Amino acid sequence: AQTVTQSQPEMSVQEAETVTLSCTYDTSESDYYLFWYKQPPSRQMILVIRQEAYKQQNATENRFSVNFQKAAKSFSLKISDSQLGDAAMYFCAYRTLTQGGSEKLVFGKGTKLTVNP
Amino acid sequence: NAGVMQNPRHLVRRRGQEARLRCSPVKGHSHVYWYRQLPEEGLKFMVYLQKENIIDESGMPKERFSAEFPKEGPSILRIQQVVRGDSAAYFCASSLGRGHYGYTFGSGTRLTVV
Repeated sequence: AQTVTQSQPEMSVQEAETVTLSCTYDTSESDYYLFWYKQPPSRQMILVIRQEAYKQQNATENRFSVNFQKAAKSFSLKISDSQLGDAAMYFCAYRTLTQGGSEKLVFGKGTKLTVNP
Repeated sequence: NAGVMQNPRHLVRRRGQEARLRCSPVKGHSHVYWYRQLPEEGLKFMVYLQKENIIDESGMPKERFSAEFPKEGPSILRIQQVVRGDSAAYFCASSLGRGHYGYTFGSGTRLTVV
């Protein structure tokens, strides 16, 4: 079964600085998707960035970028020029498709990011 | 375009009562997923449904929990005879179909069992 591990329960960063959140996963599949979701206190799950495993190029969305190391099964999120609005829980997730026709996201336990002014 | 609508946002039930959680997917989305989030935890998969079909309910407790996604109307997650351990946030997500990676999540229903 696929597992997702986020080893940093909490992280903090100064406003305008850069922070990297770690994520590792375990899978025997060769083709899959990885995601980072942001969950602010409002509880809404917001997609931050998505990476297809077959793409070697790291995904980038404005101030958010990933470092995808497929062989190492690592998928870290870098937030540049951190803003106060980036403070939230961040979840790494793996999308699995099963031969039985199912599909699900497997989530890590999350990293709570604090942004200090 | 409205996103995924979940209601109620908060639900309080006494032990032994029934809880019904509703999820209206994004218009045009025919696939719905339910997840449960316990305090300080990530989301855990419960069930995957298409219209009128349960595709995968492997994450759902076998007793007291059921889910449906009828041809018309919202998807319903039903918990009978709630216990304190059912207290959690329940999230619904929808997508266009299996293999599509565009999942839209609702804001969740926080169930508190007293």
